[in-house]
Amino acid sequence: GAGVSQSPSNKVTEKGKDVELRCDPISGHTALYWYRQSLGQGLEFLIYFQGNSAPDKSGLPSDRFSAERTGGSVSTLTIQRTQQEDSAVYLCASSSRTSGRKTDTQYFGPGTRLTVL
Amino acid sequence: AQKITQTQPGMFVQEKEAVTLDCTYDTSDPSYGLFWYKQPSSGEMIFLIYQGSYDQQNATEGRYSLNFQKARKSANLVISASQLGDSAMYFCAMREETGFQKLVFGTGTRLLVSP
Repeated sequence: GAGVSQSPSNKVTEKGKDVELRCDPISGHTALYWYRQSLGQGLEFLIYFQGNSAPDKSGLPSDRFSAERTGGSVSTLTIQRTQQEDSAVYLCASSSRTSGRKTDTQYFGPGTRLTVL
Repeated sequence: AQKITQTQPGMFVQEKEAVTLDCTYDTSDPSYGLFWYKQPSSGEMIFLIYQGSYDQQNATEGRYSLNFQKARKSANLVISASQLGDSAMYFCAMREETGFQKLVFGTGTRLLVSP
């Protein structure tokens, strides 16, 4: 079946502009995660959605970052007033979130490479 | 707090040989899961293998096996019969089974398989 998809694959923007990154999880997966991979910070958790529960936003680095998930499926990560330090690969993952066992494996999308000039 | 340590920035192995990638972890949660992911140069994160903290046996998936030593808090990945296509970054990650279950990643090991 189809995996996690993300768009765009690459995004180049100017400092101060807003950007939106999209993630389409695996069909039927109720849990959705955003991570960021940058040279200086490695892979870091940003935000987590599970069904209709309040999201875990504990990893968002600043209030310029926000995310929403509509209809329990597609998610959009928005970065306002982008800064050069926001340049990174943004990875989305989804899981079936059942019993905390193997079936909760997170499967990743191909990522969006964001470059802020 | 959760922490994953991968002390090998780079590893070299010859084709058809076995290689072990090291991973140690720290957590105060008695229930957790350990994962290994492969990231080729194309960038996607590919799930390889999972080990639960209460699993009695070491996990195996084809040529991948996980050497889980709970008392030492280590979860080393063993790749048998290396192939050229195994050249990639390898990340060890941990998920605590309580709470929101985010993954915490190590810094990765770059594996290069030579002919």
